Amino acid sequence: EAGVTQSPTHLIKTRGQQATLRCSPISGHTSVYWYQQALGLGLQFLLWYDEGEERNRGNFPPRFSGRQFPNYSSELNVNALELEDSALYLCASSLTSMNTEAFFGQGTRLTVV
Amino acid sequence: DQQVKQNSPSLSVQEGRISILNCDYTNSMFDYFLWYKKYPAEGPTFLISISSIKDKNEDGRFTVFLNKSAKHLSLHIVPSQPGDSAVYFCAAKAGGTSYGKLTFGQGTILTVHP
Repeated sequence: EAGVTQSPTHLIKTRGQQATLRCSPISGHTSVYWYQQALGLGLQFLLWYDEGEERNRGNFPPRFSGRQFPNYSSELNVNALELEDSALYLCASSLTSMNTEAFFGQGTRLTVV
Repeated sequence: DQQVKQNSPSLSVQEGRISILNCDYTNSMFDYFLWYKKYPAEGPTFLISISSIKDKNEDGRFTVFLNKSAKHLSLHIVPSQPGDSAVYFCAAKAGGTSYGKLTFGQGTILTVHP
């Protein structure tokens, strides 16, 4: 069974540009979560999607947004990139939202120059 | 406001000995705690968890202890193996929220020497 897959693995963007990161959850999983891991910090919760709806978001500015598609895959968009957005972005999925642990993908390393 | 703290950035242990990783939390609403292990260039993988109604959970070489009054949990690995060398993250879930919406600590780098 395939795990959570993220693309691209690495992404280099210029300050002010937009970045789009993609996530395919484990087959059958309906909840998708996005996390940011900046250098030297723990994982910070970004967004939670379930059944196509945004359920919760962390303490991040509105230029961080995303969506979940009917096939439960998800996209994270970061607009007006800033240097401090450089981080590892991790996606996780769970079978349901309320009673199963989440499984993580390998992440997308975003570098803003 | 760091609600989950891992105060030791790194830990070095000899193969065969016990590794003890510590984690403190401040939010009384947390009702479920997890430990994740992360190798370089990989996503975190779930290791072991404990509900706030328990004080101990074991899974093979891994045991998690929870002290609710002290708001402290620890992960014991016995015996430690070189393959255990990784970054270990403590995470917590608040009651009524999803198991995927977690608050993580900063991580502890564990190095197990042969």
